[in-house]
Amino acid sequence: GQQVMQIPQYQHVQEGEDFTTYCNSSTTLSNIQWYKQRPGGHPVFLIQLVKSGEVKKQKRLTFQFGEAKKNSSLHITATQTTDVGTYFCAGGGSNYQLIWGAGTKLIIKP
Amino acid sequence: EAGVAQSPRYKIIEKRQSVAFWCNPISGHATLYWYQQILGQGPKLLIQFQNNGVVDDSQLPKDRFSAERLKGVDSTLKIQPAKLEDSAVYLCASSPARVYGYTFGSGTRLTVV
Repeated sequence: GQQVMQIPQYQHVQEGEDFTTYCNSSTTLSNIQWYKQRPGGHPVFLIQLVKSGEVKKQKRLTFQFGEAKKNSSLHITATQTTDVGTYFCAGGGSNYQLIWGAGTKLIIKP
Repeated sequence: EAGVAQSPRYKIIEKRQSVAFWCNPISGHATLYWYQQILGQGPKLLIQFQNNGVVDDSQLPKDRFSAERLKGVDSTLKIQPAKLEDSAVYLCASSPARVYGYTFGSGTRLTVV
């Protein structure tokens, strides 16, 4: 079946450093959504990308959708402690199904 | 607007017992989802409703799990009988339509002992 691979599984950064997580699909996606889940919390919708090559920004967060609509990335500039959590991508597959990545856990080093 | 309401927040039961979870989605949201999230993993879709009809239940263990959405609003998810591996957070989410982002509830943390 359709799968979305997300890497890395964990990323440790010093506060102020950048963070990037990547998602890759073997099949073309209709759209990609990104969610953030704080420790002990529930996933919170961040953004949806639909168009090939689309780039969207939310303050320090930059989201990209690849030209072939098979990959996506989330980049956070100058991480802050409030960015801690797990970031999930979820790709739109056939029949409107959302295919979830396994998530990337952002850890801020003390 | 009010968010997605779920209850209870926590539940501890013994294996082979039954349990039910309740979800009230955001008003007007046609699509409702139940997800299972095991600690350290991503959410896994159990069932998806469009209004009161089932759109996708391919990953629902139908020998023990059941779900309904009466009148296209509230929904309940039931497990009977529970197994140890059912210990997880059960998340309900809703969206205006299938192509929009989801709003999740706070979830029910189930522990089966």
